[in-house]
Amino acid sequence: EAGVAQSPRYKIIEKRQSVAFWCNPISGHATLYWYQQILGQGPKLLIQFQNNGVVDDSQLPKDRFSAERLKGVDSTLKIQPAKLEDSAVYLCASSPRLAGARTDTQYFGPGTRLTVL
Amino acid sequence: GESVGLHLPTLSVQEGDNSIINCAYSNSASDYFIWYKQESGKGPQFIIDIRSNMDKRQGQRVTVLLNKTVKHLSLQIAATQPGDSAVYFCAEKISNFGNEKLTFGTGTRLTIIP
Repeated sequence: EAGVAQSPRYKIIEKRQSVAFWCNPISGHATLYWYQQILGQGPKLLIQFQNNGVVDDSQLPKDRFSAERLKGVDSTLKIQPAKLEDSAVYLCASSPRLAGARTDTQYFGPGTRLTVL
Repeated sequence: GESVGLHLPTLSVQEGDNSIINCAYSNSASDYFIWYKQESGKGPQFIIDIRSNMDKRQGQRVTVLLNKTVKHLSLQIAATQPGDSAVYFCAEKISNFGNEKLTFGTGTRLTIIP
């Protein structure tokens, strides 16, 4: 079974520039997550999709971050404009069950390492 | 507020020995706990989970213990191997109005000494 795919793997930009990350979840997984992982910390949830709808975006800095999952499969996360503190690894994860199920294993992609100069 | 923390940021263990990684949590409403392993350049990988109505669960070479009285979680790895070197995260799942949210701790870096 193919895992969660993410691209690019690495990205270096200057502050105030824009950047976009792409995620292809495991086939058939209804729920998709974007996490931000700052160096030395655990992943922090940014946004959660159930199919193509947003379930939780309470920790997404909406003034600069946006995400979409138009057809309920692939997803993109965008930062515009980027700040120095956005330097982190952006992880995408997917899970097979519907949101609200009692237990649900999340499978993570390799992440995109973003460096903002 | 809710938080998940780890007692030790780094741990070094001789190959073949057992290792124990500890985690403290503060939200008594958490009903599900998970341990993840993250190798350099990779995303977190599921290791083992445990529900709040259990106090022990065993997998292959790994055991998770849950002490709800003191809000403490531990991961025991038996007969450690070089491939066990990684950062280990505990995470708690909290259900809120049908939506589940996973909160990760800071992580412990485990180094296996050959």
